[in-house]
Amino acid sequence: AQTVTQSQPEMSVQEAETVTLSCTYDTSENNYYLFWYKQPPSRQMILVIRQEAYKQQNATENRFSVNFQKAAKSFSLKISDSQLGDTAMYFCAFMRATSGTYKYIFGTGTRLKVLA
Amino acid sequence: GAVVSQHPSWVICKSGTSVKIECRSLDFQATTMFWYRQFPKQSLMLMATSNEGSKATYEQGVEKDKFLINHASLTLSTLTVTSAHPEDSSFYICSASPDGGWTYEQYFGPGTRLTVT
Repeated sequence: AQTVTQSQPEMSVQEAETVTLSCTYDTSENNYYLFWYKQPPSRQMILVIRQEAYKQQNATENRFSVNFQKAAKSFSLKISDSQLGDTAMYFCAFMRATSGTYKYIFGTGTRLKVLA
Repeated sequence: GAVVSQHPSWVICKSGTSVKIECRSLDFQATTMFWYRQFPKQSLMLMATSNEGSKATYEQGVEKDKFLINHASLTLSTLTVTSAHPEDSSFYICSASPDGGWTYEQYFGPGTRLTVT
């Protein structure tokens, strides 16, 4: 069975600084997708970034980028130029790429606080 | 695009009563929807996968007779908490994956806070 581990329950970063959130996963699958979701105090889940396992290039979305290490089964999220609005819970999620199956497995989350 | 709504956003009910939560995909069709439960400061726990026109698939440990799921159309899934008790108080979130294969990720509703008194 697949598992997703986020080893940092809480982190803080100064505004404008860079922070990296870690995520590791365990799977025997070769094709899968990985996601980072943000859950601000409103509790609305917001997709931050996604990565297809078959792509070697790390995904980037503006200030957010990932370091995807398939062999190490690691998927860390880097937030550059942190902003106060980045304060939220961040969840790493794994999804198998089996056709018709879109089930997510979430990590336990990392609470990020951006300090002014 | 890809908006999912939930109704109500919060509900208070008395112990022993039932409450229904609706999940709608507003601008896409979704054969598959998901229901999660989230306790304070915890992760999302998948309760069940809702399939249009067929029975839901429940995760291990989730009481199917207590959490009734109906996916009657390609844009609507409902979760009914039957004979609610205070321990059912939680935040319930639904999500949906658009049909057609144009994207594979899930889109989440804003959640429903249930308080059972």
